[in-house]
Amino acid sequence: EPEVTQTPSHQVTQMGQEVILRCVPISNHLYFYWYRQILGQKVEFLVSFYNNEISEKSEIFDDQFSVERPDGSNFTLKIRSTKLEDSAMYFCAKRASGSNEQFFGPGTRLTVL
Amino acid sequence: GENVEQHPSTLSVQEGDSAVIKCTYSDSASNYFPWYKQELGKRPQLIIDIRSNVGEKKDQRIAVTLNKTAKHFSLHITETQPEDSAVYFCAASPPGTYKYIFGTGTRLKVLA
Repeated sequence: EPEVTQTPSHQVTQMGQEVILRCVPISNHLYFYWYRQILGQKVEFLVSFYNNEISEKSEIFDDQFSVERPDGSNFTLKIRSTKLEDSAMYFCAKRASGSNEQFFGPGTRLTVL
Repeated sequence: GENVEQHPSTLSVQEGDSAVIKCTYSDSASNYFPWYKQELGKRPQLIIDIRSNVGEKKDQRIAVTLNKTAKHFSLHITETQPEDSAVYFCAASPPGTYKYIFGTGTRLKVLA
């Protein structure tokens, strides 16, 4: 299974602060996804990213969220001005061209106090 | 947009028995249906998938069936073992986007 790693594994932040979640390293994949899973709930699609552009985003992915691939390998999710309800596991996933399969990273647990 | 319903929410079976988890989807254009297993605190891991041009797929003790007309698909686990205990999520993927819309999950407990 293609490896997907994420950092940090756990992030604790104060409400209103900005956080950056990272998906590293990425190799030979062009398609990336971020999903969110609030504790005990289902996995929810946030955004898909292809060729350095957002290809689709959900209603959850509002103006406080942004994604980028700053150095051609790391894939980041930025949450500006975090809210209590942003507390969740955030999973990065990647997909190879020509395949439907998505491989998930281990996730970052975000706790907003 | 696509909506996926999953049931039951919890399922307890005796070791060695079979387990069946069912999902329905709303978008008839969805063409890919993966199943993920998630152990406590871990990432979702793909266990089996099926495409819309196939009615059934089997991989050892795990099988998935798809009924496109009724827009539902099911996961079948035979000869369950304690290590099968986890939360199982179904998902549907509409064409063109490749995003996954997940069901609400089924917590399977296999009792030894």
